[in-house]
Amino acid sequence: QQQVKQSPQSLIVQKGGISIINCAYENTAFDYFPWYQQFPGKGPALLIAIRPDVSEKKEGRFTISFNKSAKQFSLHIMDSQPGDSATYFCAASGAGGTSYGKLTFGQGTILTVHP
Amino acid sequence: GAVVSQHPSWVICKSGTSVKIECRSLDFQATTMFWYRQFPKQSLMLMATSNEGSKATYEQGVEKDKFLINHASLTLSTLTVTSAHPEDSSFYICSARGGSHNYGYTFGSGTRLTVV
Repeated sequence: QQQVKQSPQSLIVQKGGISIINCAYENTAFDYFPWYQQFPGKGPALLIAIRPDVSEKKEGRFTISFNKSAKQFSLHIMDSQPGDSATYFCAASGAGGTSYGKLTFGQGTILTVHP
Repeated sequence: GAVVSQHPSWVICKSGTSVKIECRSLDFQATTMFWYRQFPKQSLMLMATSNEGSKATYEQGVEKDKFLINHASLTLSTLTVTSAHPEDSSFYICSARGGSHNYGYTFGSGTRLTVV
C-alpha cells in the first residue's frame, strides 16, 4: 500500500516534443505529490508538486495532472529540451500513519531528449 | 532559501573502516532529516528518519548498528557507516524537512561512497 508505481522506465523524445510520465498510488493517506529531477551524481531537485485539492498545476514548461479518483498523477514536460535529459522521480507522502513525513518514491524514468 | 549541504561529495575508504557523512541545513532549522541510499539506475531507498534530539527510526532491513545516525542539532545530521564493506558502496543522499520551502523536503547533493 506504500508503493508508488511509475512508468515508463525510459522515454525518448525529440526536441520540442512533450514528455509524459505517469505515476499511480494506492495509499489514500498520501496528500503531497512532488516530482523530482535528478542528474547523474547529484541529489534530486524538486520540479513541481501538487496537493490533492487541485487537479492540475503548471509551472513554466512543467505541468502536473492529478486524478484523485483514479489515484494517478502525471508529469508533462512541454517543449522538451536536451537539457531536460535526466532521471525523473515521482513521490508521495502523507499526513497520517506510518507514511507521515516519509517520501515514497516511484521507480524513476530516464528521459532522453534528442536534439 | 532551503539549502541542504552534504559533505563529502565522494569518499573512498578501505574495507573495515568507518566513514562519516554530514548533512547540514544552511538557512533553515531541520526538525526532521531523512537518509536515503541509491544504487545505480535505481530509485531512492529510505534508510532512516531522524528527529533532532531523539533516536533515529530505521526502515525494515537497515542495520542500525552499521548505519549510525546522529541528529544533535536542528542544522546537522550525520550518517556513519561503520566497518564498511564493498557491498556498502552506494550513493547516499540526505533530505531535510523543516523549512517553508516545498512542504519542507530539500535534498543534499549526495555522497558517493566506494569501499575498496
